[in-house]
Amino acid sequence: GAGVSQSPRYKVAKRGQDVALRCDPISGHVSLFWYQQALGQGPEFLTYFQNEAQLDKSGLPSDRFFAERPEGSVSTLKIQRTQQEDSAVYLCAITISGTSGSAKGNEQFFGPGTRLTVL
Amino acid sequence: AQSVTQPDIHITVSEGASLELRCNYSYGATPYLFWYVQSPGQGLQLLLKYFSGDTLVQGIKGFEAEFKRSQSSFNLRKPSVHWSDAAEYFCAVGARREYGNKLVFGAGTILRVKS
Repeated sequence: GAGVSQSPRYKVAKRGQDVALRCDPISGHVSLFWYQQALGQGPEFLTYFQNEAQLDKSGLPSDRFFAERPEGSVSTLKIQRTQQEDSAVYLCAITISGTSGSAKGNEQFFGPGTRLTVL
Repeated sequence: AQSVTQPDIHITVSEGASLELRCNYSYGATPYLFWYVQSPGQGLQLLLKYFSGDTLVQGIKGFEAEFKRSQSSFNLRKPSVHWSDAAEYFCAVGARREYGNKLVFGAGTILRVKS
């Protein structure tokens, strides 16, 4: 995706393990989103950051999910005590810098995603 | 709350044939509308978007979509499909907000192209 890298690309975890997924946008992107895409489904919103502030976490499915973006750039999505139902592709998206408040600021550009498999 | 319906899970078309993928949305006002394409193992690529103005929007790779307010639809079209168009297509809607505009996606339509 334009200006967004994610790592690892693939992660296999045993049930109960903690995992950390990283999103690394090209600097200057103000808004950052996390989505979860289960097999055969469309992406579903998890959480949203504007700079370092987490302004919306209404989509996080449980308190095992935690996201942070301490310096307003790189973001980490952490899942504690993983369960099989957490298996999905986790997508990070950003909006174009400097366009917040305009229609163009609503275009989201996605990273390649991290495929998490919980055994 | 916003929602998106893509009625067709799979569509198969012959190479060179025309294509229309359906998308219906539910939203209390005129939303922002998007079509994304996802190839296997890849992230989502933005094909086109509707914000305002002309209801027929052009996108990349020869795709276009038409916003029809009366039908709450935003169908994607292409006059002549190429084998490389085989992928999964997602329609998405977003509220008209200043920021923090999370997208709501449909379940996707898988396009198969036969030669």
